[in-house]
Amino acid sequence: DARVTQTPRHKVTEMGQEVTMRCQPILGHNTVFWYRQTMMQGLELLAYFRNRAPLDDSGMPKDRFSAEMPDATLATLKIQPSEPRDSAVYFCASGLVGHTEAFFGQGTRLTVV
Amino acid sequence: EDQVTQSPEALRLQEGESSSLNCSYTVSGLRGLFWYRQDPGKGPEFLFTLYSAGEEKEKERLKATLTKKESFLHITAPKPEDSATYLCAVQTEYNFNKFYFGSGTKLNVKP
Repeated sequence: DARVTQTPRHKVTEMGQEVTMRCQPILGHNTVFWYRQTMMQGLELLAYFRNRAPLDDSGMPKDRFSAEMPDATLATLKIQPSEPRDSAVYFCASGLVGHTEAFFGQGTRLTVV
Repeated sequence: EDQVTQSPEALRLQEGESSSLNCSYTVSGLRGLFWYRQDPGKGPEFLFTLYSAGEEKEKERLKATLTKKESFLHITAPKPEDSATYLCAVQTEYNFNKFYFGSGTKLNVKP
């Protein structure tokens, strides 16, 4: 059963700490998206990778957020330092270039206190 | 400005009571419109992609339709297990990277 795997599922951290979220895309998928979901803003695109190269990270606060794909099986999203306003559910999704649908992971629920 | 608006925000139905959810959009050059279902505590699950006005897609009790300005998700004789938040998203011709999501319709089907 192919699916996108995200870890951790839940994270509570103190303001100022570094947070790292991980995503394993579906094997063979060559596009990866990071989204953030809040009640107020809904789903917002943070970053987009194609063949491990970052193509669009315009939705991401550059001063504290960074996204990477060290290899084809791992995508990471880091927040340093974290702030209470970063509290949200962060989703990773993967897909294939030329196909339009994206498959989402279960999300990481981040709470910054 | 590209925008996606979903209505209603919430919908309560009795089991078997058919209805429709609306997704209206204003984008410059639509490449595709997507419907997703999201259950509490889970990620959105892909349902349909529609590409051109007049197109329809069906899956079990769900049917999605598309016009030049909006899409409808028709739910026929819903069951309690259809309760979820339904999200629509649009992809534009000039930026394949971005999917503009609506805020969703939370559907509650009572037995």
